[in-house]
Amino acid sequence: QSVLTQPPSVSAAPGQKVTISCSGSSSNIESNYVSWYQQFPGTAPKLLIYDNVARPTGIPDRFSASKSGTSATLGITGLQTGDEADYYCGVFDTLSYSVLFGGGTKLTVL
Amino acid sequence: QVQLQESGPGLLKASETLSLTCSVSGGSFTRYYWGWIRQPPGKGLEWIGYIFDGGHTKYNPSLKSRVSLSIDASKNQISLRLDSVTAADTAIYYCAREGGGYRFDYWGQGTLVTVSS
Repeated sequence: QSVLTQPPSVSAAPGQKVTISCSGSSSNIESNYVSWYQQFPGTAPKLLIYDNVARPTGIPDRFSASKSGTSATLGITGLQTGDEADYYCGVFDTLSYSVLFGGGTKLTVL
Repeated sequence: QVQLQESGPGLLKASETLSLTCSVSGGSFTRYYWGWIRQPPGKGLEWIGYIFDGGHTKYNPSLKSRVSLSIDASKNQISLRLDSVTAADTAIYYCAREGGGYRFDYWGQGTLVTVSS
């Protein structure tokens, strides 16, 4: 069981907005940068968000993120069927001195 | 464009040693941390550790007693060694570049390692 808690699954209709939460603690999310990754079946994870809110070049602004206290949230607007994937949050934990990943959230676009 | 490619045996027996190599091409190899992450089939990601080009390492505390990373800057390669494997070590093993702020910005395609009992 991961130290970072994500909902196992979320779903929404095409064109709608969805949010994915990542809950941690003061030793990880609250005090360090959060990253988000997108993973399609059979492929490697892809960096989606870094430094809590920043998007790498090429990531559309439909993807956004925020952080407040010990929780972080990934938001996806204008959902497309091509967004169906697993999403993971990641952060450094100062207490265990290690990188942590959330358990992952499977997004279904109905 | 930075590219990473993992290589190594795909099948091991319990108690053997897992050895994987990651070859990096494109971009700068120095001044970055290079890491390993694994993913058991159908499950989430687990950070194994990473190494800086000077040899400084950080390991997942849960694996620290069995894992060792090394680097060969002359070949732009990093290597992973995991001792005394069990079926629980069956996973896809990814190498990745730590691009700052503990984010992994470039990933290899991953290599599946299966441990049979």
